[in-house]
Parts: sequence; structure tokens; C-alpha cells
Amino acid sequence: EAGVVQSPRYKIIEKKQPVAFWCNPISGHNTLYWYLQNLGQGPELLIRYENEEAVDDSQLPKDRFSAERLKGVDSTLKIQPAELGDSAVYLCASSPRSGGYNEQFFGPGTRLTVL
Amino acid sequence: SQQGEEDPQALSIQEGENATMNCSYKTSINNLQWYRQNSGRGLVHLILIRSNEREKHSGRLRVTLDTSKKSSSLLITASRAADTASYFCATDAYSGAGSYQLTFGKGTKLSVIP
Repeated sequence: EAGVVQSPRYKIIEKKQPVAFWCNPISGHNTLYWYLQNLGQGPELLIRYENEEAVDDSQLPKDRFSAERLKGVDSTLKIQPAELGDSAVYLCASSPRSGGYNEQFFGPGTRLTVL
Repeated sequence: SQQGEEDPQALSIQEGENATMNCSYKTSINNLQWYRQNSGRGLVHLILIRSNEREKHSGRLRVTLDTSKKSSSLLITASRAADTASYFCATDAYSGAGSYQLTFGKGTKLSVIP
């Protein structure tokens, strides 16, 4: 079974530039999550989708971050414009169960560096 | 904000010894999960324990949950060098206004010396 796929794996951009991350969850997993992880810290939830609906986006900084999950399968997370403090690893995870937080399968992450 | 806090922050043991990590949290939970993260395999789910459960086993892993003390422990028996990783607890906890969120702690960095 293929795992969660994320691309790109690494991204270096100048501040104020836009950037987008893509995630393809495990087939059949209706719940999808985006997390941000800073060095030495645990992941912090940004947004949770059940199918194409964002059911928890309270932690998403909506002034510069946006996400979409069209057709309830793969998802894109965008930052526009990026700031120096956005440098982190962006993780995508999926879960076969919905209605709360259950076992999650994580992708390898995208390491973003903002210069 | 961090809901779960792991203790200790770092732990170094010899191969074959047992490793115990603790997690404390603040509000009521639906469940508590333990994850492992190393550079080779990324973040991997280990065990989920629900609020009405007290103990769970999976292979060499044993997790306990004490909701009265709002704490959990992860025991790894007969440790191996391959267990070297960061271990995170994550709580599916009440965050106010009738909603729950999953919050990760900062992790315990375990080093198993061959």
C-alpha cells in the first residue's frame, strides 16, 4: 500500500514569495490533516479535512495561509506571501476514520526555507 | 499551545534496557496517542489509548493512562538501537466551545546505545 505522498520534499524561497505544497493521501482515507513542525517541537495542526470539507481550521493563519481539497482526495496548502518565520517542515497526514482524531499516517514532509 | 508535555526531554540508555517516557496533559481527552519520529521513517503512529482504557500493549510497547492524574507513560522493553528516535504524545483533547483538537507535545529524544 502506498503511503502519503508529499511534494516537493524541499523548497527554498525568498521572503514575500508564494509557495504551495501538495499532498496525496492514502487511497480511501477520507480525513486529511496539514501540520507545521518547527525544529525541536511537535507537529502543530493547521487544518483538518473530512472529504472536501474543512472541519477544523482554527489554527490556520488565514491572512497568508490557504488550503483546498477539491474532490476530497489530494490537497494543496499555500502560503502567500511567505515570511521568514514560516521556515519549518510541513507535514500532511491522513486517516481512514473520520469524526475526531484517530490513528494518522504521515507523509515525509516538505522542508521550507524562507530566506 | 502545547497540551501534552513529555518527560524527560532526553533519555539515553544501553541496548537491552527498558525506556520509560511520561506525558502529562491539562484538559479532558477522548484519546491519547504515541508517535515515533526518526529521520529514516518520519512520523509513525505507535499506540492509541482511549480515555476509558487504562493499559495497552503492542509488541515491546506498553502504554498506561491515568485520567485522574492526567498522565500517560510509554514503556519500551528490551530496547534496540533502532528505537533511537523522538517520541511524541498527542492528546485528542477538549479545546473549548464544544470542540476537540489533537495537540502534540515537544517530545522525548531517546538514544539507545549499542
